[in-house]
Amino acid sequence: SQTIHQWPATLVQPVGSPLSLECTVEGTSNPNLYWYRQAAGRGLQLLFYSVGIGQISSEVPQNLSASRPQDRQFILSSKKLLLSDSGFYLCAWSVLGWGDSGNTIYFGEGSWLTVV
Amino acid sequence: AQSVTQLGSHVSVSEGALVLLRCNYSSSVPPYLFWYVQYPNQGLQLLLKYTSAATLVKGINGFEAEFKKSETSFHLTKPSAHMSDAAEYFCAVSSANTGFQKLVFGTGTRLLVSP
Repeated sequence: SQTIHQWPATLVQPVGSPLSLECTVEGTSNPNLYWYRQAAGRGLQLLFYSVGIGQISSEVPQNLSASRPQDRQFILSSKKLLLSDSGFYLCAWSVLGWGDSGNTIYFGEGSWLTVV
Repeated sequence: AQSVTQLGSHVSVSEGALVLLRCNYSSSVPPYLFWYVQYPNQGLQLLLKYTSAATLVKGINGFEAEFKKSETSFHLTKPSAHMSDAAEYFCAVSSANTGFQKLVFGTGTRLLVSP
């Protein structure tokens, strides 16, 4: 079965410091990978998605970047964090096609980022 | 562009009462519709999904949702609420017209269950 791991689970970082959140998926190949952010009291916002190694699409302009160095690894980064970057970050994966897992997005457990 | 509207940021029910969480969608092409549940400090878990097969979809934990094209709705129901159902619920829409799945989420509805 497929699993998704995301770390760290919680992170407190000062303004201006760098960020690296990592996500790996196991049990599937060529997944689509996503980073979502959930700000307090708001819905989920898609930040980045990737259909393959080195292929990153950004949904909104922001202080963050994403990379996909391996097929099942997705990294969210920032060179200098802002207070507004605080939130709950969710990595997710999907595969296209029919069947129970087709066309469904599955989420990791999330990472709480507090920028102070 | 696709969008989802969830009516009511909070819904309160008593244990054993009917749960009804409302979701209306907007999509120019046949949609895929999803309900996810999020327990505190956790990721999102898929409850159920509609992908143009049966209009009444049954999910986990006794939840079900009915796709009504004429009303552009996909409301989530459960006949009898349990305390463990207290969580935040998100409706989401996507379509396969680009060959790629991107979910557009509603703002969520927090379900409160009282004894």
